[in-house]
Amino acid sequence: DSGVTQTPKHLITATGQRVTLRCSPRSGDLSVYWYQQSLDQGLQFLIQYYNGEERAKGNILERFSAQQFPDLHSELNLSSLELGDSALYFCASSLRGADTQYFGPGTRLTVL
Amino acid sequence: QKEVEQDPGPLSVPEGAIVSLNCTYSNSAFQYFMWYRQYSRKGPELLMYTYSSGNKEDGRFTAQVDKSSKYISLFIRDSQPSDSATYLCAMSGGNFGNEKLTFGTGTRLTIIP
Repeated sequence: DSGVTQTPKHLITATGQRVTLRCSPRSGDLSVYWYQQSLDQGLQFLIQYYNGEERAKGNILERFSAQQFPDLHSELNLSSLELGDSALYFCASSLRGADTQYFGPGTRLTVL
Repeated sequence: QKEVEQDPGPLSVPEGAIVSLNCTYSNSAFQYFMWYRQYSRKGPELLMYTYSSGNKEDGRFTAQVDKSSKYISLFIRDSQPSDSATYLCAMSGGNFGNEKLTFGTGTRLTIIP
């Protein structure tokens, strides 16, 4: 158990809908990362937050957004969902920035 | 061309054999190198974490980084069936704003009892 928690474990929804994925980092970790894992693209970095502030962005679609709250948990919002958004979404956390990243168990999103 | 290249396998070896997994990369800014193990439908689990060039050993696992060749390796000694998983190499620049991990595609490994 990495200490990173993610909810829900599974999400099944329809095209055009909006969902929210939640992540709680390890106790004391200030940095949260979101990654998407699909069969054709592998693990891809989406976005990083550090102590409530956005720190880096990857190839995150405009339909996706994220935030980190004062208690350091983070949410990833996915809207206007398309079939191609079906993937595993992982959250990772690290103490600061360039420290070891520990991954959560992931949320499996299926868009029908 | 991808920044990190990794042979996807699959790789099958008999129990007890030494396993060698490799990645090459093109971005010379990478300073931190990691190996993660991922069981089916689970989150990646950190195995090894190395800064810059050199070797690091942890139990049956040895990680090697050769920055001059832009080549990293993971060796697994005395392989066990429980080592069967997908192994992902990952790397980052480590400096502010460049802490994201860039992953290889993963190598699927099966240890045959």
